[in-house]
Amino acid sequence: AQKVTQAQTEISVVEKEDVTLDCVYETRDTTYYLFWYKQPPSGELVFLIRRNSFDEQNEISGRYSWNFQKSTSSFNFTITASQVVDSAVYFCALSETGGGATNKLIFGTGTLLAVQP
Amino acid sequence: NAGVTQTPKFQVLKTGQSMTLQCAQDMNHEYMSWYRQDPGMGLRLIHYSVGAGITDQGEVPNGYNVSRSTTEDFPLRLLSAAPSQTSVYFCASSYSWGETQYFGPGTRLLVL
Repeated sequence: AQKVTQAQTEISVVEKEDVTLDCVYETRDTTYYLFWYKQPPSGELVFLIRRNSFDEQNEISGRYSWNFQKSTSSFNFTITASQVVDSAVYFCALSETGGGATNKLIFGTGTLLAVQP
Repeated sequence: NAGVTQTPKFQVLKTGQSMTLQCAQDMNHEYMSWYRQDPGMGLRLIHYSVGAGITDQGEVPNGYNVSRSTTEDFPLRLLSAAPSQTSVYFCASSYSWGETQYFGPGTRLLVL
C-alpha cells in the first residue's frame, strides 16, 4: 500500500542552524512522483519541489536541498542556515500514476518546524 | 490568472445542514481534487476528477458528493453535516497525473 511517513512531528532549531526533514515512502509502482509542500502559519499550501522516480539527482534551490534515495525509499529535505520565515509545517507527498486515471496525492502527517531567533 | 479559488473562507454549520464548497480554477487543468486536513493526520483525499464529467472517490468520501460539469469548477457538497466533518478543506488542480497540484487557500468548516 502507498504510504508516506514523516517521523519527526516537531523540530525546533535556532536561526542559522541547518535542519533536515525526513520523508520515507512506500509504493509498489515503478513510476511515481514525490513532492514537498510548505504550510506557513497563514495556512496556504505552497509547492516546493516535484521529483519523479527516475531522477535521483539531488537538487539545490538557494538554502533548500533535497536528497532522493530510491534504495532507502527516502526523500529528505534540508534547509541550510534556517531563518524565522522557514517556520511552517512541511508535508511530503507521493503520487502514483494509476495508469493516468488518477491523481491521488498521499500525504505524510507533516513536520512542524519552529525556527527560533 | 487567479489560480485556484475557494469560497467561502470560513463557514459554521449546524448538524444536519447541507452546503456546497465552491472551487474554481482558471489554468485549464484537467485534474481537480478535494482534500481535508485534520490535526495530526495530514491531508486526505475526499474525491477527485480527471476531467469534466468524470469523478471518483478518494480515501474519505463518505458524506460528500461531487460533480464536474465544467473544466473550471469542482464543487464539494456536504449532504447532512456532522461534527466529524469539522475540518479545513482544500481544493487542488493539476494539468495531468503526476504533475504538480496547486492548492486553493482552503475553507475552514465548523459543524456544531
